[in-house]
Amino acid sequence: GDSVTQMEGPVTLSEEACLTINCTYTATGYPSLFWYVQYPGEGLQLLLKATKADDKGSNKGFEATYRKETTSFHLEKGSVQVSDSAVYFCALNTGGFKTIFGAGTRLFVKA
Amino acid sequence: DTEVTQTPKHLVMGMTNKKSLKCEQHMGHRAMYWYKQKAKKPPELMFVYSYEKLSINESVPSRFSPECPNSSLLNLHLHALQPEDSALYLCASSQGWDSEQETQYFGPGTRLLVL
Repeated sequence: GDSVTQMEGPVTLSEEACLTINCTYTATGYPSLFWYVQYPGEGLQLLLKATKADDKGSNKGFEATYRKETTSFHLEKGSVQVSDSAVYFCALNTGGFKTIFGAGTRLFVKA
Repeated sequence: DTEVTQTPKHLVMGMTNKKSLKCEQHMGHRAMYWYKQKAKKPPELMFVYSYEKLSINESVPSRFSPECPNSSLLNLHLHALQPEDSALYLCASSQGWDSEQETQYFGPGTRLLVL
């Protein structure tokens, strides 16, 4: 079945460091891919998405490119801030109401 | 506007209580969802309503009873819960076309504690 695999956390970085959170997927169709972010004590917020191969989603300095050849959708940011500390979920949807989530990666950014 | 609202924000209830969680969206979405999220885990799908009809029930115990009074509102009625039901309950909505790849928008959640 469809699945999403994310790098295990927690990831701890200093402020202004570069961030990469790896995400790979397995899907039978051509999924849309998403990154959601969950700040402490809050619900999930859609961070960015990409709907077809080679699309780049971007928002708030975060980027991810839909790579069909490597079945990946890695999340990147050039310079993280303390306020980026959160849990990041990679997810996919191949059609319909079921979105498949990865396990989540917790990011801590130190001042 | 991509806002989904949920009330209450926090809820403490005993195992014999009856309570309800509420969710509202005004994006014109026709699919609405309930998820349960335990600490340090991804959300787990519980129910999906599409065009105000129950479309998916992920084998959820009957002590959880969903209701969709109209296209903007979604309730989750709780009765005789167990301590292990303590979790963050998230509502989400999407446009509602089952044949399309749906983008789901989440509310802030209700943090439930069952004593």
